[in-house]
This record gives sequence, structure tokens and C-alpha cells, in this order.
Amino acid sequence: DTAVSQTPKYLVTQMGNDKSIKCEQNLGHDTMYWYKQDSKKFLKIMFSYNNKELIINETVPNRFSPKSPDKAHLNLHINSLELGDSAVYFCASSPRLAGVPGELFFGEGSRLTVL
Amino acid sequence: AQKITQTQPGMFVQEKEAVTLDCTYDTSDQSYGLFWYKQPSSGEMIFLIYQGSYDEQNATEGRYSLNFQKARKSANLVISASQLGDSAMYFCAMTPPAGYSTLTFGKGTMLLVSP
Repeated sequence: DTAVSQTPKYLVTQMGNDKSIKCEQNLGHDTMYWYKQDSKKFLKIMFSYNNKELIINETVPNRFSPKSPDKAHLNLHINSLELGDSAVYFCASSPRLAGVPGELFFGEGSRLTVL
Repeated sequence: AQKITQTQPGMFVQEKEAVTLDCTYDTSDQSYGLFWYKQPSSGEMIFLIYQGSYDEQNATEGRYSLNFQKARKSANLVISASQLGDSAMYFCAMTPPAGYSTLTFGKGTMLLVSP
């Protein structure tokens, strides 16, 4: 059973389109994240949700809208896709938001290519 | 603000040899966590090892050990007896103290293990 699963794994689309990436974790974790890995492999936090509440929004354009229907799911919707949105998007979860640091459990990544 | 620096864009090592991947960090926090993740060519992020800033002993996990030198703010990853399957990108990361579990990543080091 995959602990953190993302769909789709690959997404190719044209500029201007709207697309979504879904993420689900079956670990019972309270906190979920979206990270973006650019072409230079740099990983950067985009959003963090704790128990369905938005906690961190790291200067991400408004075209990106995360949605957490429950604490096991964190979806990422992107409007009006731009070429610069091409990247690998990783979903992750952790047992808790704060306190003793614990490792993040990552999904397998979703490679988005905008043409 | 926290910052992670990995100065080695790429490293080469022969099979069965040991290799050290460098990581330095900058933080004004007294309590923090340090992590290493491995990203093989398949793209997933794999947790390797964790070191808490107050841990007196260096963390070890099988062939991985973390050479933690707090005064120098370094957290180097040592891989003993390299294997071909160790070829991957390696990321050093850290979390803030009793704040969020969000990871700040370094830019990564590509390790290539040759036969």
C-alpha cells in the first residue's frame, strides 16, 4: 500500500489550461504539503495544511489553489498554466505540524510539462 | 531564516568505497532537525537519516551516518561501502524548532557510483 500517492504521475498540457493534481495519504498524518522541484532539482515548499487548514503559503501565485477536503487529501489546482509551471510537484505528509521534528513522507511526484 | 548549502554539485565514487557528501547550514535557532533524502532517477524522495540538534551522538542508519559538527554547522552524510544503487541525487534538509515541520532543502548533490 502506497503511503502517499499522487495522481497523475505525468501531465502534459498546453499553456492557459487548468489542471489538478491529487494527493492522498493513508498514514493518519495531520499535516500535508506541496513542494515544487524545478528543472535544477531545487525543492521548495509551496503550501502546508494542518487538519485541513492552510498554514503555509510561500509566495505562490494565486493561480495555484490547494484544497484539502479532509486531512487525508490535499489537492493542487492550477489555473491558466504557464511555461514556468513545468516542474515536478511533490506531495508530502508528516505526523504533526509542530513539536519534535519528524521526517516527511513524500509521494512519488507528479511531473507537469506545459507546452 | 534557515539556509542549507551543498557545495558539491556532483561526486564520483567507486563501488565499495566510502563517500562524504557535504552539507552546511545556517540558522539562529538552537533547536532544529537535520535530514538527508535520496532521490534516484525514478524521482521519488527517500528519507535516509535524521539528526536532532541536541542529539549528542551522530545518527547512523545502516551504511549511512551523519557526521554532525554543531559548532561548524555541518551535517555531512557518509555512505560506507558504496553500491551502484546509491547513484542518485542527495538532498540535505532542515526543519525549524517548535515551529512547522516544513523542510528547507539544499540544492542537492548528484552521486555517481562506478563499478
